[in-house]
Amino acid sequence: GAVVSQHPSWVICKSGTSVKIECRSLDFQATTMFWYRQFPKQSLMLMATSNEGSKATYEQGVEKDKFLINHASLTLSTLTVTSAHPEDSSFYICSASGGTYNEQFFGPGTRLTVL
Amino acid sequence: AQKVTQAQTEISVVEKEDVTLDCVYETRDTTYYLFWYKQPPSGELVFLIRRNSFDEQNEISGRYSWNFQKSTSSFNFTITASQVVDSAVYFCALSDGTGSARQLTFGSGTQLTVLP
Repeated sequence: GAVVSQHPSWVICKSGTSVKIECRSLDFQATTMFWYRQFPKQSLMLMATSNEGSKATYEQGVEKDKFLINHASLTLSTLTVTSAHPEDSSFYICSASGGTYNEQFFGPGTRLTVL
Repeated sequence: AQKVTQAQTEISVVEKEDVTLDCVYETRDTTYYLFWYKQPPSGELVFLIRRNSFDEQNEISGRYSWNFQKSTSSFNFTITASQVVDSAVYFCALSDGTGSARQLTFGSGTQLTVLP
């Protein structure tokens, strides 16, 4: 099956700093990647959809200048949380689809804590 | 617009009991896909099943079974003889059948606790 990895699995940072999260498709070419955010005891909320080589499409209410998404290759997408604040603390999950796979395969998630 | 409703926020059962998790969906698409995912405390989503809108046959996989009924727009999930390891949050999700990468709409999830 398709495997998606995320790095780091958890990160703690100080308020005001930027944090980069990587999402990699390990055994297939991901033409599309999705980024989700999940607050405690809540469902997954789609933040943005990115297609390789083009700008990401952000969901309503998600600040594109705060959550920078880069999908520069068919196996890597990055989410950078700029000037992170405590309210950005959350569980961030990526998923990928592409090639023969039209459905999404999920990464293990990254737990971000902003102090 | 698509919508998935999981009315049961939390369910608690005793080990070996059967439990059914409800999922009701709304969509205008005639072609769509339904999913169930398990999210244990570690956080990683575990894919359980995918069902397309043209296949209404119920499916059984070990202790898991799914009942898809288009007439009531429901896709319920039953765990037979529950075990402590089944304790997790379960999400039902819906995607349309078009495009090269289908967006998923998730329900709010049901927290299942299986007590020993």
